[in-house]
Amino acid sequence: GENVEQHPSTLSVQEGDSAVIKCTYSDSASNYFPWYKQELGKRPQLIIDIRSNVGEKKDQRIAVTLNKTAKHFSLHITETQPEDSAVYFCAARSYSGNTPLVFGKGTRLSVIA
Amino acid sequence: GAVVSQHPSWVICKSGTSVKIECRSLDFQATTMFWYRQFPKQSLMLMATSNEGSKATYEQGVEKDKFLINHASLTLSTLTVTSAHPEDSSFYICSARDSGMADTQYFGPGTRLTVL
Repeated sequence: GENVEQHPSTLSVQEGDSAVIKCTYSDSASNYFPWYKQELGKRPQLIIDIRSNVGEKKDQRIAVTLNKTAKHFSLHITETQPEDSAVYFCAARSYSGNTPLVFGKGTRLSVIA
Repeated sequence: GAVVSQHPSWVICKSGTSVKIECRSLDFQATTMFWYRQFPKQSLMLMATSNEGSKATYEQGVEKDKFLINHASLTLSTLTVTSAHPEDSSFYICSARDSGMADTQYFGPGTRLTVL
């Protein structure tokens, strides 16, 4: 089955700097890669996703890149703000029936004002 | 965006009792719902996949007789923790996939279960 590795587990950046979180996956059949943001005690919120027919996707300060050959994808947050502080999870799934998302272990991002 | 509700948001129960958690998709139909468990500062661990009108598919190591799942309609799935013990205390989160948008998966707000 799919296995998703996520790094780093914790990340501290100064406000205004960029943050990058990287994930690798094992199943070459995976073709959907979402990123979720989870604040303490709250539900994971989808912030961006990318499908395997696209190499990069951007939404304001957030971007995701995908390298299918290397089986890795990354989340980039630019101009970080204190409210970006949260735990971020990457996930992967192959689009086949009811296949569930497989999550990475998460990255705790702290943006220091 | 799509909304998934979960009830109750928190529950405290005595050891040996059963607790039922409901997960509803409010504005879309969900053929498939997923139940996750999350321990503090850890990732989401998939427990089971709930399919409307059929039996749930449990992940390895998850006792199906202890965690009963029912998905009776396209908008409701329930998880019942039977004979709960303190080690069952956790944050349980459901997730639903919009049948009309096969990729996107939305999460409920979670239920914090504390077993005394």
